[in-house]
Amino acid sequence: QKEVEQDPGPLSVPEGAIVSLNCTYSNSAFQYFMWYRQYSRKGPELLMYTYSSGNKEDGRFTAQVDKSSKYISLFIRDSQPSDSATYLCAIREMDSSYKLIFGSGTRLLVRP
Amino acid sequence: GAGVSQSPSNKVTEKGKDVELRCDPISGHTALYWYRQSLGQGLEFLIYFQGNSAPDKSGLPSDRFSAERTGGSVSTLTIQRTQQEDSAVYLCASSGGGQPQHFGDGTRLSIL
Repeated sequence: QKEVEQDPGPLSVPEGAIVSLNCTYSNSAFQYFMWYRQYSRKGPELLMYTYSSGNKEDGRFTAQVDKSSKYISLFIRDSQPSDSATYLCAIREMDSSYKLIFGSGTRLLVRP
Repeated sequence: GAGVSQSPSNKVTEKGKDVELRCDPISGHTALYWYRQSLGQGLEFLIYFQGNSAPDKSGLPSDRFSAERTGGSVSTLTIQRTQQEDSAVYLCASSGGGQPQHFGDGTRLSIL
């Protein structure tokens, strides 16, 4: 079993839809959670990060963490064609200052 | 610089040759990381630097891989006697003050 599981997709939605992207993890020591967006032939770009359970909102993006279920989500409201990319969840332990463990990434396509 | 800079952006070489990949982190970031992204394997941690020392080299796949960092800034990842399975995108990230990691656009390495 991988430490972080993520559905690879692809996920295809119409413009304006609400998108839900999810990851599950196995190690309860993980305490720091991130979402990165990666466009083709580019490096991962940090979207959101949090270390607590609950929701964190930034514009059209909401990150949700449920530590009891070991489940994290990223919601994208009013999705745009420019949101078409691969979304990667990443997790690390609180006491560690290094080594992110990534999900495999979910490919998202937003159709105009 | 404004972001993490990696060079070359693309590298094609013959099997058995040595290659050097360079990473210039965000100015002031003391932590530097190397990851490898390949089809079917996702993003894998290779090595972590804090300043010029590497407290964690556990992700380096074999002794053909080595890395150094000088002056607390630029890092080079060296792969000796390259093999076809070394073909991947090599990503560098940096961080400071416990903040999340920021990535460069990577070096696309192809071994013929």
